Amino acid sequence: EVQLVESGGGLVQPGGSLGLSCAASGFTFSDYWMNWVRQAPGKGLEWVASIKKDGSEKYFVDSVKGRFTISRDNAKNSLYLQMNSLRVDDAAVYYCARSAAVAFDNWGQGTLVTVS
Amino acid sequence: QSALTQPPSASGSPGQSVTISCTGTSSDVGGYNYVSWYQQHPGKAPKLMIYDVTKRPSGVPDRFSGSKSGNTASLTVSGLQAEDEATYYCSSYAGSGNMVFGGGTKLTVL
Repeated sequence: EVQLVESGGGLVQPGGSLGLSCAASGFTFSDYWMNWVRQAPGKGLEWVASIKKDGSEKYFVDSVKGRFTISRDNAKNSLYLQMNSLRVDDAAVYYCARSAAVAFDNWGQGTLVTVS
Repeated sequence: QSALTQPPSASGSPGQSVTISCTGTSSDVGGYNYVSWYQQHPGKAPKLMIYDVTKRPSGVPDRFSGSKSGNTASLTVSGLQAEDEATYYCSSYAGSGNMVFGGGTKLTVL
């Protein structure tokens, strides 16, 4: 069974930094692109970032470019999101999601980031 | 990277069919056959329902179907059931490694 478990969320002040992690299990992690998708309270889904299987390609939504970094450790079956210069509008539940085809086929339960 | 356009709400009675639209541009929906649809119940993670415009992952009932015409994609739910009440999001590849979501449509089963 595919499992994605996010951690690292919490309360941070505007301008601060926070690092999120996603522990993957139940599949060969290195065979899949991975992603972060966020959802602000009461709002819709927003794609944040994607990383290729080997980490050689990374893509970001314009609003986080230069502030967020996505990385992965295939040996540890883990995905990361380093968020710097956080803004109030970055507050959201952050989901780790696996890519299959060009879609997000498995999602974690999310971790809440509060910026205040 | 503008969001795709979905109606905020849709509704239907049990057993009926309902169609939810998702309008983008030639740079996303119209340019690629990479539209996907997600179902989200309150407090839960999204679930993939349709990918590559028309394909259903294993375990998704065949009551759910997808289509696309030009810059608009659609999700049809046939034979509505109470458990289909949820918010549905479309998503599309938008080129250069980017993905974009719609704003979501809350489906109410009357």
